[in-house]
Amino acid sequence: RKEVEQDPGPFNVPEGATVAFNCTYSNSASQSFFWYRQDCRKEPKLLMSVYSSGNEDGRFTAQLNRASQYISLLIRDSKLSDSATYLCVVRRDSSYKLIFGSGTRLLVRP
Amino acid sequence: GAGVSQSPSNKVTEKGKDVELRCDPISGHTALYWYRQSLGQGLEFLIYFQGNSAPDKSGLPSDRFSAERTGGSVSTLTIQRTQQEDSAVYLCASSQELNQPQHFGDGTRLSIL
Repeated sequence: RKEVEQDPGPFNVPEGATVAFNCTYSNSASQSFFWYRQDCRKEPKLLMSVYSSGNEDGRFTAQLNRASQYISLLIRDSKLSDSATYLCVVRRDSSYKLIFGSGTRLLVRP
Repeated sequence: GAGVSQSPSNKVTEKGKDVELRCDPISGHTALYWYRQSLGQGLEFLIYFQGNSAPDKSGLPSDRFSAERTGGSVSTLTIQRTQQEDSAVYLCASSQELNQPQHFGDGTRLSIL
């Protein structure tokens, strides 16, 4: 079993839709959590960190449930430019390497 | 630009050859990381450097892989006697400190024939 699991998708949604991605992690020692975005044949880019209390950045909301070892990303009012692969990432603070999920692909159609 | 710079962008080489990949981190970033992404796979950690501390090499897949960071800045990842399974995109990232967000370069796309 992978340490970070994501539904690979693709999620195919119309512009303006709300879409949610989920991610589970298996190692309870994981302490820091992130969502990265990766466009086709490009490098991953940090979208947002995920905090225990949940956090929002514009149309994007991230939630963390430590008890269930579950992370989510909600995108409201989807734009065509949101089409990308969204990577769920965890880090154990005993080690500074990032552990990536395989990503969830989002396609936003006109 | 001010981002992480990697070279070459693409490298095609024959099986058995050695390759060197270069990473120039963001100025002032003390931590540097190497990852690789194989076709259809997630990113896989290889090694990280922090200042003058001993690097964490726990992700290197075999002793054919090595990396160094000279002068606390530029890093090179060396793969000796390349194999076809080494074909991947090799990504470098840097962060201000170890517990800060990591920013990635464009990667080197390595193809072993």
